[in-house]
Amino acid sequence: GQQLNQSPQSMFIQEGEDVSMNCTSSSIFNTWLWYKQDPGEGPVLLIALYKAGELTSNGRLTAQFGITRKDSFLNISASIPSDVGIYFCAGQLSGGGSNYKLTFGKGTLLTVNP
Amino acid sequence: KAGVTQTPRYLIKTRGQQVTLSCSPISGHRSVSWYQQTPGQGLQFLFEYFSETQRNKGNFPGRFSGRQFSNSRSEMNVSTLELGDSALYLCASSPRPRDSYNEQFFGPGTRLTVL
Repeated sequence: GQQLNQSPQSMFIQEGEDVSMNCTSSSIFNTWLWYKQDPGEGPVLLIALYKAGELTSNGRLTAQFGITRKDSFLNISASIPSDVGIYFCAGQLSGGGSNYKLTFGKGTLLTVNP
Repeated sequence: KAGVTQTPRYLIKTRGQQVTLSCSPISGHRSVSWYQQTPGQGLQFLFEYFSETQRNKGNFPGRFSGRQFSNSRSEMNVSTLELGDSALYLCASSPRPRDSYNEQFFGPGTRLTVL
């Protein structure tokens, strides 16, 4: 199936540093979602974006819906050890009708060194 | 409000057997989607159910099937299990049906191991 290109695949950073990751697609999306997954658990929704150009924050997390509707970015400021996990982007291809499935990126594994 | 629950959390089966996984969505949510997660393929969409009807289907063989009950609870079934079916199976619920609105909330998953 279709996959989003998510980068980087992994990051190893020091506590306190800022983090950026992004997703790109050859297709237009009208919804972008960012999830975090801890080992052995399901993904937890962090931020949802619904409009091109939208910039949304959730605490230390900030995400943006790209103007072209083909990309999205997630930034984490002042990282802490509990930020460790796998971050996934997900796009919804179209609104309305029956096409509600999410297409996921392969994830970014974040490791934070205390 | 309780989250999405999935049972069982862990399951071990042998090749050729069949398995049924269960998902209870968040109260009030009417859409349930199923995903397969493997290290190699990542998260892959299986199917979505809404109002007891399958609305979307991913690219999986017919051995994978599902259903939804009137209380929105959903089950998925995999018949004739293969080694490659070993994965974390995730269920996600969504309020639906608003256009352009698709916040999906995931359960903890069922870890299926096929020996």
